Amino acid sequence: ETGVTQSPTHLIKTRGQQVTLRCSSQSGHNTVSWYQQALGQGPQFIFQYYREEENGRGNFPPRFSGLQFPNYSSELNVNALELDDSALYLCASSYTNWTGDYEQYFGPGTRLTVT
Amino acid sequence: GQNIDQPTEMTATEGAIVQINCTYQTSGFNGLFWYQQHAGEAPTFLSYNVLDGLEEKGRFSSFLSRSKGYSYLLLKELQMKDSASYLCAVLDFRSNDYKLSFGAGTTVTVRA
Repeated sequence: ETGVTQSPTHLIKTRGQQVTLRCSSQSGHNTVSWYQQALGQGPQFIFQYYREEENGRGNFPPRFSGLQFPNYSSELNVNALELDDSALYLCASSYTNWTGDYEQYFGPGTRLTVT
Repeated sequence: GQNIDQPTEMTATEGAIVQINCTYQTSGFNGLFWYQQHAGEAPTFLSYNVLDGLEEKGRFSSFLSRSKGYSYLLLKELQMKDSASYLCAVLDFRSNDYKLSFGAGTTVTVRA
């Protein structure tokens, strides 16, 4: 167990709705990354937050947005949900010290189904 | 961007050795990770290589050649619990812009 928690575990939404997913980082970690994993695929990088600021983004549209809070917990928000947004959403936390230690610890994920 | 290629599936016998290859193309390489993911679970960290050569951790070893854009994960003395998907991921980190890109994963099935 990594100490990274995510909520909710499962979620069903309708196309066009908005969703907020939450992640609580491992104690002592200052960086959180979000990934989308479709069935049978590897995780796709959405974005990363370091000390409450976005410092990297993958090829996802602006309707995917995020926040990192002072206690390093994080939210992923997705607006105007589409059917293709159905996936497992993974949060990973790490401690960034800019000396090459980039090991990430993943949470159990939130399974989002859009109907 | 990154192009990361790894085989889709591999099958091996309990006690045997399996080597999972990963090739990549990236414009700003800062390291390569291997993760293990059991069905329905989150990925767990196995190894991180940023310099050329072999890193050994018990039954698992990972090799990197930056000039060839190539890595492999070696699993020795296979056990049934090693049946999982193995993900290769490349870190691209330039000008404080961080990107970690995963391959599609290699599903390893260990047979008795």
